[in-house]
Amino acid sequence: DIQMTQSPSSLSASVGDRVTITCRASQSISNYLNWYQQKPGKAPYLLIYGASTLQSGVPSRFSGSGSGTDFTLTISSLQPEDFASYYCLQTYKIPMYTFGRGTKVEIK
Amino acid sequence: EVYLVESGGGLVKPGGSLRLSCAASGFTFSSYPMNWVRQAPGKGLEWVSFISSSSSSTSFIYYADSVKGRFTISRDNAKNSLYLQMNSLKTEDTAVYYCARDGGQQLAYSMDVWGQGTTVIVSS
Repeated sequence: DIQMTQSPSSLSASVGDRVTITCRASQSISNYLNWYQQKPGKAPYLLIYGASTLQSGVPSRFSGSGSGTDFTLTISSLQPEDFASYYCLQTYKIPMYTFGRGTKVEIK
Repeated sequence: EVYLVESGGGLVKPGGSLRLSCAASGFTFSSYPMNWVRQAPGKGLEWVSFISSSSSSTSFIYYADSVKGRFTISRDNAKNSLYLQMNSLKTEDTAVYYCARDGGQQLAYSMDVWGQGTTVIVSS
């Protein structure tokens, strides 16, 4: 199985900060890496698919990069509504998908 | 508007059974593979099961090792519905269960539409 190591598990940041979350795959997954945002009590929401393509309607302050084994989600200027948990998901090994353990972004 | 609505969750004793349903609307259900994903209280997301777009005997079906042999995924394209039959339930199956649409190759197989979730509690 492909393991996804996501870091950090949590972070504290202020509004306006630049935030970076990383995911590392245990083997190459090409660009089959997706990022989700989840707020408490809500379903996950797709932000980025294919490592770097912004889902329709997602603000441009979100961006994704990487290929192979190392991937990054960046929020260029953190907004109040961005305080949430973020998960990566590999979809290379169809359909034995695996999520990262998540990153909780909290208010500093 | 595209919607997925889960139902069927509840409280069940260990060893018991439960059947979850997911009703789809706003898109051509029969064209999309579907998934079940769960989230234990305070924990991360776990992929549970996948079914290809066909609802016939030619469906491709996969399960996470944690549920293999106990859970059965199925779909009825005529009813725009996805199901998860859960048998021999364990306390560790306690979670919110989400159905999620598989976006296919054009979306790098990401799960692009999610339901609101249904809660399953396994406890004596």
